[in-house]
Amino acid sequence: NAGVTQTPKFQVLKTGQSMTLQCAQDMNHEYMSWYRQDPGMGLRLIHYSVGAGITDQGEVPNGYNVSRSTTEDFPLRLLSAAPSQTSVYFCASGGGGAYEQYFGPGTRLTVT
Amino acid sequence: GENVEQHPSTLSVQEGDSAVIKCTYSDSASNYFPWYKQELGKRPQLIIDIRSNVGEKKDQRIAVTLNKTAKHFSLHITETQPEDSAVYFCAASNPSNTGKLIFGQGTTLQVKP
Repeated sequence: NAGVTQTPKFQVLKTGQSMTLQCAQDMNHEYMSWYRQDPGMGLRLIHYSVGAGITDQGEVPNGYNVSRSTTEDFPLRLLSAAPSQTSVYFCASGGGGAYEQYFGPGTRLTVT
Repeated sequence: GENVEQHPSTLSVQEGDSAVIKCTYSDSASNYFPWYKQELGKRPQLIIDIRSNVGEKKDQRIAVTLNKTAKHFSLHITETQPEDSAVYFCAASNPSNTGKLIFGQGTTLQVKP
């Protein structure tokens, strides 16, 4: 069991570029979510999914898109990167809704 | 929506002392309250959680208490050790609201040897 995996680990983008952060889990969890972590701000929910084909917005969804075509994968898309999106991004999954969520190792994104 | 406040933001204790971190939440329908520990440069890891049908839960040196009337819950660490030094996050969830997990701002705990 690899658990929750994320790629890439580090990424530098220029303002206006687009990219996709990948997240995968092999625990057959229905619930997956994306958080961003900024100093002093804790973990803020971007988007989440309660199952394949179902996604919804979290606290800070602007500038990000998600889709969930399979149970295993939950990619996060930045359509036009902005410096305000510089952050560490964590993906998490859980087998029972928000209960017992497990985090991936994170992606450190810098937008210049 | 749910809002979670966490205090203190930093906490320094001597090895062997106890540490207490407190959180308050706003949504009275929330019924799941996990605590995560995050070491520097690592991912958050679930260390203990409590559901609203109990008032206290213990796991070795760690305990969590819940007061639903006052809408606050606390993490208690006894006999602290240097390896307890980390950032601790509380969170709250209302599963009837599709289960969004909302986090507090975090507490940096330093345990001095």
